[in-house]
Amino acid sequence: GEDVEQSLFLSVREGDSSVINCTYTDSSSTYLYWYKQEPGAGLQLLTYIFSNMDMKQDQRLTVLLNKKDKHLSLRIADTQTGDSAIYFCALKNTGNQFYFGTGTSLTVIP
Amino acid sequence: GAGVSQTPSNKVTEKGKYVELRCDPISGHTALYWYRQSLGQGPEFLIYFQGTGAADDSGLPNDRFFAVRPEGSVSTLKIQRTERGDSAVYLCASSLTGGPDTQYFGPGTRLTVL
Repeated sequence: GEDVEQSLFLSVREGDSSVINCTYTDSSSTYLYWYKQEPGAGLQLLTYIFSNMDMKQDQRLTVLLNKKDKHLSLRIADTQTGDSAIYFCALKNTGNQFYFGTGTSLTVIP
Repeated sequence: GAGVSQTPSNKVTEKGKYVELRCDPISGHTALYWYRQSLGQGPEFLIYFQGTGAADDSGLPNDRFFAVRPEGSVSTLKIQRTERGDSAVYLCASSLTGGPDTQYFGPGTRLTVL
């Protein structure tokens, strides 16, 4: 199966940028995703990127994809306390299988 | 409905019992996925339906787990002879097929096996 790795914790000050990183092993990924999970809530899709793209920007969110290094990142600009949550990267491969990372818990300090 | 719904939200059962977990996907979504999320982990794929048929059940851990989607809409995940290790949050997601297959997740069912 696919191996999708994330660091467990990230702590930033309100107003700073957050960068959450993800590495994966399957080079046949077609789409890559970032999800947000708040306590007691379901997974919410934040954004996704097609594998032939290097970057996608969506308001405060910037996704960077380095296919050579199999590295995906999510940058959140002007991080707010409401951004505190667990962030999961996920990918879909050519077999239409989805794999999720272990999640990064983001804490925003006021 | 407006989103994916799952029932029950919580289920407590005893070891060895049989449980059924229900998922009601977004109307019109042809694809339906079941995942299991253990504490501190990401969702782990179990099974994927395209319409009424299971297109990929490679994630089901063993033959105690079974899922159906008889009319291509509601799905039921069935677990026989439950074990304590089955305790987790079971997530359902649905999507329109094709392209990014953007998945919309339900709130999950928290299963506790005593």
